[in-house]
Amino acid sequence: QKEVEQNSGPLSVPEGAIASLNCTYSDRVSQSFFWYRQYSGKSPELIMSIYSNGDKEDGRFTAQLNKASQYVSLLIRDSQPSDSATYLCAVRSFRNKLVFGAGTILRVKS
Amino acid sequence: EAGVTQFPSHSVIEKGQTVTLRCDPISGHDNLYWYRRVMGKEIKFLLHFVKESKQDESGMPNNRFLAERTGGTYSTLKVQPAELEDSGVYFCASGTGNQPQHFGDGTRLSIL
Repeated sequence: QKEVEQNSGPLSVPEGAIASLNCTYSDRVSQSFFWYRQYSGKSPELIMSIYSNGDKEDGRFTAQLNKASQYVSLLIRDSQPSDSATYLCAVRSFRNKLVFGAGTILRVKS
Repeated sequence: EAGVTQFPSHSVIEKGQTVTLRCDPISGHDNLYWYRRVMGKEIKFLLHFVKESKQDESGMPNNRFLAERTGGTYSTLKVQPAELEDSGVYFCASGTGNQPQHFGDGTRLSIL
């Protein structure tokens, strides 16, 4: 079992719709969770961090964390073609290192 | 504020040669991390510096990889001798305390 699992996609949504990206993790003691967006050939760019159960909203992005289910998700409202990218779920592990999922490719169609 | 910068952006070398990758972290960030993504796989941790000290090098694949951070500023990652399986994208990230890590654009390394 991988430490952090994501559906590789591609996830295709029409412009203006809500995109829902999901991630599960195996280490029950994990406390810090991150979503990075990566465009082809570019750096992973931090878009959300979440540390407590529940929802955290920032603009069009909402991160949701459920530690009991070991599940973290990212919702993108009013999806735009510019949101098309690979979304990486990362969990902070022992000694501060990040453990990444393989990423979900999101395609927003205009 | 300048972000994390990595050099070179691309490197193509032959098997058996040596390559050195460089990372300049965000100014003031004591934590510096190296990660690697090989084709079709997830990004994986290599090692972590706190200032000039290696905090965790549990992800380094073997002794052909040598990382340094003299003076606690920029870092280098040397691969000697390079093997075919070393091909991939090498990312550097920096951060301060428990704050999220910020990544560079990576160095795409191709071993022929």
